[in-house]
Amino acid sequence: GAVVSQHPSWVICKSGTSVKIECRSLDFQATTMFWYRQFPKQSLMLMATSNEGSKATYEQGVEKDKFLINHASLTLSTLTVTSAHPEDSSFYICSASPDHESYEQYFGPGTRLTVT
Amino acid sequence: GDSVTQMEGPVTLSEEAFLTINCTYTATGYPSLFWYVQYPGEGLQLLLKATKADDKGSNKGFEATYRKETTSFHLEKGSVQVSDSAVYFCALSLPSRENFNKFYFGSGTKLNVKP
Repeated sequence: GAVVSQHPSWVICKSGTSVKIECRSLDFQATTMFWYRQFPKQSLMLMATSNEGSKATYEQGVEKDKFLINHASLTLSTLTVTSAHPEDSSFYICSASPDHESYEQYFGPGTRLTVT
Repeated sequence: GDSVTQMEGPVTLSEEAFLTINCTYTATGYPSLFWYVQYPGEGLQLLLKATKADDKGSNKGFEATYRKETTSFHLEKGSVQVSDSAVYFCALSLPSRENFNKFYFGSGTKLNVKP
């Protein structure tokens, strides 16, 4: 149990376009989901906390107008990178905190975004 | 502030060698401690965890003991295999003001195991 999926697993887009990444909890409900960014050979950086039915909470330095987060249901959160630029190329990982185990986070497999 | 420090890599070992990856933490409360493993091109997989002092987490031959007195959670394995080659992340989680735990990750340690 406690599986988190992400789609797509990798995406290539052109500079100036927007791309949406989905994060789903497959077998549990998650009021809270998290979005992380990982640069090559570096650790995970928390970008934002996504709460179902309310606005996301962004970490300091993360542009909320560029990284749009929507948590439309208890099993789905989306991250949209708007007007993407090559410097947005990165590995994006989501995690979900089960409502019945709020101290845990289960991680998705990640999405590799390349902006050309 | 709350943080995790782990030894820098890469760590290169021969197959069947003993592995230790050091991890220490700073936390204002009573954290849960985790080790995650990341294989190339993949996301994080939970390797083991410990939720209170003196607990030992273990999985797939890996072990780590939650040492409150030394604020450490070192990862060990008695005999590594080539398939253990990956990046290992130490992490802690603490309750936040909201109804979830916030995670803090170390910088990761790359392990290379040679046949």
